[in-house]
Amino acid sequence: GAVVSQHPSRVICKSGTSVKIECRSLDFQATTMFWYRQFPKKSLMLMATSNEGSKATYEQGVEKDKFLINHASLTLSTLTVTSAHPEDSSFYICSAGWREGHYEQYFGPGTRLTVT
Amino acid sequence: AQTVTQSQPEMSVQEAETVTLSCTYDTSESDYYLFWYKQPPSRQMILVIRQEAYKQQNATENRFSVNFQKAAKSFSLKISDSQLGDAAMYFCAYRSALGGKLIFGQGTELSVKP
Repeated sequence: GAVVSQHPSRVICKSGTSVKIECRSLDFQATTMFWYRQFPKKSLMLMATSNEGSKATYEQGVEKDKFLINHASLTLSTLTVTSAHPEDSSFYICSAGWREGHYEQYFGPGTRLTVT
Repeated sequence: AQTVTQSQPEMSVQEAETVTLSCTYDTSESDYYLFWYKQPPSRQMILVIRQEAYKQQNATENRFSVNFQKAAKSFSLKISDSQLGDAAMYFCAYRSALGGKLIFGQGTELSVKP
């Protein structure tokens, strides 16, 4: 149990376009979802925390207008990178947890974004 | 604010041997969780072991065990009988007992030599 999926696993987009990454909890209702960014051989950097039905809480230094996060249902959160630039190229990971599960976080497999 | 520090960027171990990865943390909270995650080349984060701060007994999962020293704020991971499949990045992480975000250390890259 507690499976989290991400789609797509890899995406290449042109500079200036927007790209959406989906994070789904497949067998539980995720009251909270987290979005991370990871550079090669580096740790996970938390970008934002989203609770179902409310606005995401962004970490300091993360542009909320550039990285749009929506958590419209208990099983789906989306991260949209707007007007992507090459410096946005990275590995994006989501995790999900729920109150009754003591907020244990389960991680998706990640999405590799390349902006050309 | 809570912090997690992993002072070993890289570690190496011979297959079948034992290795210990270090982690220290800082917090003013009394109740929290500590975790070790493994990230293999696939980059899927895998939970290795979890420790609840109020439990004095060190957590164990098969070949993986921790040495949790609450007063010293230390949380090391011991891998016994190392296998080639243990080669990965290992992250130590902290989370408040009330929930919320995970705070990760910098990671330790473990290589296993045959």
